[in-house]
Amino acid sequence: SQKIEQNSEALNIQEGKTATLTCNYTNYSPAYLQWYRQDPGRGPVFLLLIRENEKEKRKERLKVTFDTTLKQSLFHITASQPADSATYLCALTSGTYKYIFGTGTRLKVLA
Amino acid sequence: NAGVTQTPKFRVLKTGQSMTLLCAQDMNHEYMYWYRQDPGMGLRLIHYSVGEGTTAKGEVPDGYNVSRLKKQNFLLGLESAAPSQTSVYFCASSPVQETQYFGPGTRLLVL
Repeated sequence: SQKIEQNSEALNIQEGKTATLTCNYTNYSPAYLQWYRQDPGRGPVFLLLIRENEKEKRKERLKVTFDTTLKQSLFHITASQPADSATYLCALTSGTYKYIFGTGTRLKVLA
Repeated sequence: NAGVTQTPKFRVLKTGQSMTLLCAQDMNHEYMYWYRQDPGMGLRLIHYSVGEGTTAKGEVPDGYNVSRLKKQNFLLGLESAAPSQTSVYFCASSPVQETQYFGPGTRLLVL
């Protein structure tokens, strides 16, 4: 069955360092991969989208890579700040209207 | 613009009771979605709609019904609530098959 895996353990990093989060998937051929941020008690907020034919996407301090051979996406936050502390979700779609979400990785940036 | 709004924010039901969750968006988006989010399970798609008057089943549709009589509204109904439907429900909308905009969520507790 289709599966998305994100590290369920929380990631703690020091302020100013680069945070790297991983999203792995199996039995799926996504057309798009997205990353969302979710704060406690709030809905997810869209951050970045990368297509299957793109290797890398950047937006300010955020960078996403997409390796369809490894079936993996990496999400980087450079010069991390305590305000970046949140849960980050990855989501895949094959181009239909259905999205599959990972369970998310909780990031805590320590001051 | 208010974006995506959900009503109510929190509700407690007894087993067997019925209720309707309302989602409204003011962005003129064609696509709308209902998800539930449970600890360790991630977001799971319940039902979705690709336009006014159309609905389709998602990953976990049993026990739920939906209607999209107006483009801006997407209703989720529980005819006979069960404790297994205790969850946080999120509505989302999107203009195309890419970015989704989420509402703030409805917390439902079924006793």
